[in-house]
This record gives sequence, structure tokens and C-alpha cells, in this order.
Amino acid sequence: AQTVTQSQPEMSVQEAETVTLSCTYDTSESDYYLFWYKQPPSRQMILVIRQEAYKQQNATENRFSVNFQKAAKSFSLKISDSQLGDAAMYFCAYRSARNTGNQFYFGTGTSLTVIP
Amino acid sequence: DTGVSQNPRHKITKRGQNVTFRCDPISEHNRLYWYRQTLGQGPEFLTYFQNEAQLEKSRLLSDRFSAERPKGSFSTLEIQRTEQGDSAMYLCASSIRRNRVTNTEAFFGQGTRLTVV
Repeated sequence: AQTVTQSQPEMSVQEAETVTLSCTYDTSESDYYLFWYKQPPSRQMILVIRQEAYKQQNATENRFSVNFQKAAKSFSLKISDSQLGDAAMYFCAYRSARNTGNQFYFGTGTSLTVIP
Repeated sequence: DTGVSQNPRHKITKRGQNVTFRCDPISEHNRLYWYRQTLGQGPEFLTYFQNEAQLEKSRLLSDRFSAERPKGSFSTLEIQRTEQGDSAMYLCASSIRRNRVTNTEAFFGQGTRLTVV
């Protein structure tokens, strides 16, 4: 089974600064998707950004960008100009691109605190 | 349709009782997932449906757990003879697969928090 590892249980960042959250994964597949989900205290998971493994270009969504290193099986999230509303749990997730592989594998999460 | 809806939001039950949770996915989504999340952990996969067919079940889903999606719309997750170890947040998510094209991300509901006392 695929595994997703987030080695930073907690991170903090000053408001307006930049922070990078780390994620590594283990898979034998070549085609898959990677995601970062945000889970605020209200508990609803919200998609932040996704990356298709076949794309070499790193995904970006406004202040959020990823550093996808396929050979190293690394998928980090960079949050620029951090805002108070960015405080949440962040989960890295993996999903196979096979038609029959549909479950998402999640890491254990990183709790991000934004300091005013 | 504003998203995935789960009911109830909170459930407290005595050990040994049965509980049932409901999930209403986004209306055009034909895939529905159940996940369990305990404090400090990421969501763990339980099962998923494509339309009304339950296509995959985790080994975490013991015989006391059963899920249904009778008409390919809403889904229920029942836990029989609850145990204290069942206390967790139960998350439902949905996604769409149409004509071999999959909307790759899943959309999550707010979850049902179960406390077994």
C-alpha cells in the first residue's frame, strides 16, 4: 500500500512570511495525483492544491505552490504571505490514477499556527 | 447544492448501542467515500461506492460496520455494538467519474463526531 509521511507535526509562521510544509510518499506507480488539503477547526477538509504526477510543472494557486520532486517522491507546500486564516491542519494526500485505485492515502498532518 | 452534507454532526452513544450516520454527496457525484479520523491522525479509508455498488472496503471495516448506498445517492454508515475505540470523526467525501474521466479531488463533508461512553 502507498504511504504518505508528514514529518512536521507542528509548524508556525509569522503573518506575511513564507512557510514550507513537507511531505514524502512511497509508491511503485508512475501515474498518480497528489493533493494538499486544509482542515480548519470547523473540521471540513478543503482542497488547497493538486498535482498530476505526469506534469513536470509545479502547481500554483495564488499564494500556494508546491515543489514536486517525482524522483525523490517529495511534495512540499509553500504558503507565501501567510494570513491568519491559513491556520489549520494541512494534510498531504496521494491517489492512484488507475481506474480501480480510488482511495486517498493521507499523511498524519501538520498543524500550522500563524503568529500575528 | 452547497456541498457534501453529513448528519448528525455529533453523536454520543453508550457502548453496545448501534448508530447510523448519513451522508448526502454533491448531487452529480457518483463516487462516495467514508473515512475515519481520530485525534492527531489523518483520515483513514473505510469504504467507497461508485453509484450503488460498494467497490472497495478497508480491513479497518470490521463486521460491526456496514455501509449502504441504496439508490446511488445518499449513503449510510452503521456501526453495531459500538465500542469505545469507535470514537472518532467519520468523514464522507464524494467525487465524480464520468466517461473514463475522473474529477481527481474529493469533496468532504464536515463529518460526524462519534463519542462512545
